[in-house]
Amino acid sequence: QLQLQESGPGLVKPSETLSLTCVVSGGSINSGTHYWGWIRQPPGKGLEWIGTIYYSGSTHYNPSLRSRVTISVDTSKNQFSLLLTSVTAADTALYYCARVDRYQWLDPWGQGTLVTVSS
Amino acid sequence: DIQMTQSPSSVSASVGDRVTITCRASQGIFDWLAWYQQKPGKAPKLLIYTASSLQSGVPSRFSGSGSGTDFTLTISGLQPEDFATYYCQQTNTFPLTFGGGTKVEIK
Repeated sequence: QLQLQESGPGLVKPSETLSLTCVVSGGSINSGTHYWGWIRQPPGKGLEWIGTIYYSGSTHYNPSLRSRVTISVDTSKNQFSLLLTSVTAADTALYYCARVDRYQWLDPWGQGTLVTVSS
Repeated sequence: DIQMTQSPSSVSASVGDRVTITCRASQGIFDWLAWYQQKPGKAPKLLIYTASSLQSGVPSRFSGSGSGTDFTLTISGLQPEDFATYYCQQTNTFPLTFGGGTKVEIK
């Protein structure tokens, strides 16, 4: 059964870089049949797609975050990562990783990790 | 970006009720729509993809319909475990976008 697990610092200072990793188990990230993505959810609010990556490294990003986001993949470790630069309080959210079907629905999701931006 | 508008934002219902949630896209998305269920403190769970295809393991009381710009999620015979927030997501065009969510509460 495929499982995804996010990890990274729970607290990031304003203007610094948020860095998260998603480890995939129970399946291979370079199977070529799926993409891999990041989604976030501010506390008490809705879902926002951040971006998606293929095992080859090709990416799609949300234009609202594109200037600050980098998603990368490490097939040797079966994981993919998110970098978000110049964070502000508005980036405080629960960050989820998920497997992305080639037609762009998301299943399954990781359990999520809360990142708070505060000094 | 394609805007996804869900209604209502919340609904109160009783066990056994039939509940219908609507999702409207700001432009046509064919049948490229997914529905998710999110319970408090949990990650979203895929229920339906391509507007009406039931994800494996999801109870048959959940159904989806629609195409173009108007879609519905129906829960036929609400169960206690169905009280949650439901989101639609368009999968037609980048950037992928979600509806604002519909909270199904106990009456």
